[in-house]
Amino acid sequence: SQQGEEDPQALSIQEGENATMNCSYKTSINNLQWYRQNSGRGLVHLILIRSNEREKHSGRLRVTLDTSKKSSSLLITASRAADTASYFCATDPYGGATNKLIFGTGTLLAVQP
Amino acid sequence: EAQVTQNPRYLITVTGKKLTVTCSQNMNHEYMSWYRQDPGLGLRQIYYSMNVEVTDKGDVPEGYKVSRKEKRNFPLILESPSPNQTSLYFCASSPRGLVHEQYFGPGTRLTVT
Repeated sequence: SQQGEEDPQALSIQEGENATMNCSYKTSINNLQWYRQNSGRGLVHLILIRSNEREKHSGRLRVTLDTSKKSSSLLITASRAADTASYFCATDPYGGATNKLIFGTGTLLAVQP
Repeated sequence: EAQVTQNPRYLITVTGKKLTVTCSQNMNHEYMSWYRQDPGLGLRQIYYSMNVEVTDKGDVPEGYKVSRKEKRNFPLILESPSPNQTSLYFCASSPRGLVHEQYFGPGTRLTVT
């Protein structure tokens, strides 16, 4: 079963609006990462948030992490058409003990111009 | 330019014909891994390598082999490909394990008929 699951599976918004996507996971983690993938291309790293951090910012991106609820959210503010992509969270289950990285199934974001 | 390269980018082959997908990184990264991406299933880790001569199974290793004889190269070998291995494959690397972001290659789209 997937360690990480994103919600919603798909999201369509207008340019300028904010987009929020959520990720839930099942075990303890060392860190949680968010990636973006443009259609059929390689993944690009967005943000890494460690288990002892609650919030992190990078440009128009804001990530929160709630380890008590085993969940994270990615907020993209003032979205642009170029933000259209799939977004994935990835975690290192069991505090990184397995040396594996588990990805969720992703949120497909469409930003309408 | 720091990058992860994969070859070939596209491959159509027949069942049972052995093939190798190469992966190379020029960033002196210790950790390398292979993923496959299928619709609705997200990315699933096939194999990973913590360093030279150290490899281990991911979540879906059946039907695949890897080797890590040099730090920069991590080839994925399909000894006897089957149609259920038709997928989009990604190689990734990071400086040291999962405490760092992963750098992804551009992907290899494999079709097995």
